Amino acid sequence: LAKTTQPVSMDSYEGQEVNITCSHNNIATNDYITWYQQFPSQGPRFIIQGYKTKVTNEVASLFIPADRKSSTLSLPRVSLSDTAVYYCLVGDMWSDYKLSFGAGTTVTVRA
Amino acid sequence: DAGVTQSPTHLIKTRGQQVTLRCSPKSGHDTVSWYQQALGQGPQFIFQYYEEEERQRGNFPDRFSGHQFPNYSSELNVNALLLGDSALYLCASSPTSGVAETQYFGPGTRLLVL
Repeated sequence: LAKTTQPVSMDSYEGQEVNITCSHNNIATNDYITWYQQFPSQGPRFIIQGYKTKVTNEVASLFIPADRKSSTLSLPRVSLSDTAVYYCLVGDMWSDYKLSFGAGTTVTVRA
Repeated sequence: DAGVTQSPTHLIKTRGQQVTLRCSPKSGHDTVSWYQQALGQGPQFIFQYYEEEERQRGNFPDRFSGHQFPNYSSELNVNALLLGDSALYLCASSPTSGVAETQYFGPGTRLLVL
């Protein structure tokens, strides 16, 4: 049973805000939510991590509602270089050393 | 400060052969994980090494084995290669032995099995 569900692909234009929602209906109390970004022929790169409410860094924001059954990654004012695959991961913060990737969301930014 | 490095970048082997891939973790990191990424899919966890021992293993057969050296670098060995082993092999390092940590990935080694 997949721990997360996210859209297969999304299209956007430069300067727009991109919001990617990930569903994790069976999230457990000890689970945290992490997003990674991957460009072609490169390894994934950490974007942001959170447990509840809202987290913001210089790259993105992560919104987690109170029931934690979903989360939304928000990329402000995207550029062509933000074209990549974005992965939503859910993991046990007390015992899970591995990262469990799904298929990810391919975001294509057009000029 | 060098990030995670992997060698070689590309490799071509034939079925039945054996392959060794190498990884040097980011400076200050002592934990190394290996992932396999097939085309069009997300990375799949193979195993993690800490203090020169395999700490956690994913759903991969015994043909996949590894090693961690005292300087924290690591090797991934795959025996009896199958066509299905063709993939991008990623190494990731993290700074301590804790969970819920950011893992820093290398650029990967692309393996093609003919």
